[in-house]
Amino acid sequence: GDSVTQMEGPVTLSEEAFLTINCTYTATGYPSLFWYVQYPGEGLQLLLKATKADDKGSNKGFEATYRKETTSFHLEKGSVQVSDSAVYFCALGAYGNNRLAFGKGNQVVVIP
Amino acid sequence: KAGVTQTPRYLIKTRGQQVTLSCSPISGHRSVSWYQQTPGQGLQFLFEYFSETQRNKGNFPGRFSGRQFSNSRSEMNVSTLELGDSALYLCASSLESSGEQETQYFGPGTRLLVL
Repeated sequence: GDSVTQMEGPVTLSEEAFLTINCTYTATGYPSLFWYVQYPGEGLQLLLKATKADDKGSNKGFEATYRKETTSFHLEKGSVQVSDSAVYFCALGAYGNNRLAFGKGNQVVVIP
Repeated sequence: KAGVTQTPRYLIKTRGQQVTLSCSPISGHRSVSWYQQTPGQGLQFLFEYFSETQRNKGNFPGRFSGRQFSNSRSEMNVSTLELGDSALYLCASSLESSGEQETQYFGPGTRLLVL
């Protein structure tokens, strides 16, 4: 079935550092890909999305490109802030199906 | 426009009891999905409702059930609660469940603790 794999473990980095969170997927057909962010005690917020190959999603300085050849959707931000500290989830949605498959999530901690 | 709302936000139950959680989608959204979030299993899909009909179902036992009303509001019920049902239950709504993958918008969740 469809699945998403995120890199293991939390990510700790200093303010203004470059952030990369890896996400790879397995799916049949042509899924849409999403990054969601979860702040402590809250639900999930959509960060960005891409619906077809080579699309680039972007929002609040975050970017991710839908790479069909490598089945990846890595999240990047050039200069993180303390306020970016949260858990980030990569998700996949199959065409014609509202069922999302999520990765395990990555806790990001940004130190001043 | 108001976001997805879920009630109650927190709930404490004991084993063997049942619980009903409620979700009000964004106005105009017709699809409602439910997810369970636990530290061990992460985010897992429970089921999706569209136009009062269950369209998709995840791999959960029959103790987990749901329904959707004509105004698109949804409830989920868990009967005979077990300790392992302690989790954050998230509801998400989307505009419609047609051929395309619509963006899902999540509520703040209901945190259920089973003692």
